Amino acid sequence: NAGVTQTPKFRVLKTGQSMTLLCAQDMNHEYMYWYRQDPGMGLRLIHYSVGEGTTAKGEVPDGYNVSRLKKQNFLLGLESAAPSQTSVYFCASTSPGRADTQYFGPGTRLTVL
Amino acid sequence: AQKVTQAQTEISVVEKEDVTLDCVYETRDTTYYLFWYKQPPSGELVFLIRRNSFDEQNEISGRYSWNFQKSTSSFNFTITASQVVDSAVYFCALSETRYNYGQNFVFGPGTRLSVLP
Repeated sequence: NAGVTQTPKFRVLKTGQSMTLLCAQDMNHEYMYWYRQDPGMGLRLIHYSVGEGTTAKGEVPDGYNVSRLKKQNFLLGLESAAPSQTSVYFCASTSPGRADTQYFGPGTRLTVL
Repeated sequence: AQKVTQAQTEISVVEKEDVTLDCVYETRDTTYYLFWYKQPPSGELVFLIRRNSFDEQNEISGRYSWNFQKSTSSFNFTITASQVVDSAVYFCALSETRYNYGQNFVFGPGTRLSVLP
C-alpha cells in the first residue's frame, strides 16, 4: 500500500497561473481532505469530500476548487494563483467510523511568485 | 468552537535532556480525540498518538510519554533523553466526534523542537 500520495511534491507558479494538485489514496477511504499549512498556524482545512462526486467547503475555501470524480482521487485546483496561496498543501483520507483519525500525504510545497 | 493552543513556539534543548511540549485544548464536547503529530525537516506528518477523552491513563512508548489531564484540558508530550533525530515541529490536534466527517480536525500552531548535539 502506498497510502496517500500527492503530486507534485514542489511547484512554483506565477501570479495568475492555474494548476491542479492531485491526491490519491489506495486504502479505499470514503473521506478525503485538503489542508494548507502556513507558519505558526498549523493546518487549516480547505475542502473535503465524503464520497465520490461530493465536496464541501472547509475553513479556508476561497480561491480553491476541488473535484472527486473517482473515490481514490481528490483534486485541488487553483484557477488564478495568488502569492497568498504560497503554502504547503496536505491531503488526508479516512474511513467512516474512523473519521477522528486522518492519514496524511507527504505534502506539496507551492510557491506563487 | 474547538481550539488547540501550543504556547511554546520554539524550544531548544541539548541532547539527552528531557523536554515537555505543552498542549491545551478547548471543546464543548464530552467525547473527543486528541493527537500528536511529528513533522521532521523532510516535511511529512508522522502520527504519534491518538487518545480519546475517556481514557486519561498516561501512555509511554519508548522515550515518549503523554500526560492527559481533562481537569486542565491539557495533553502534554514528554521526550525523555532527547536525541538530535527528535528535532522537528510537533503538532497537537483535536477531533470532536459530533462532526461525522472529520471536517473539524483542528491543529495547534506547532512547537519547533531543536535538539542540539
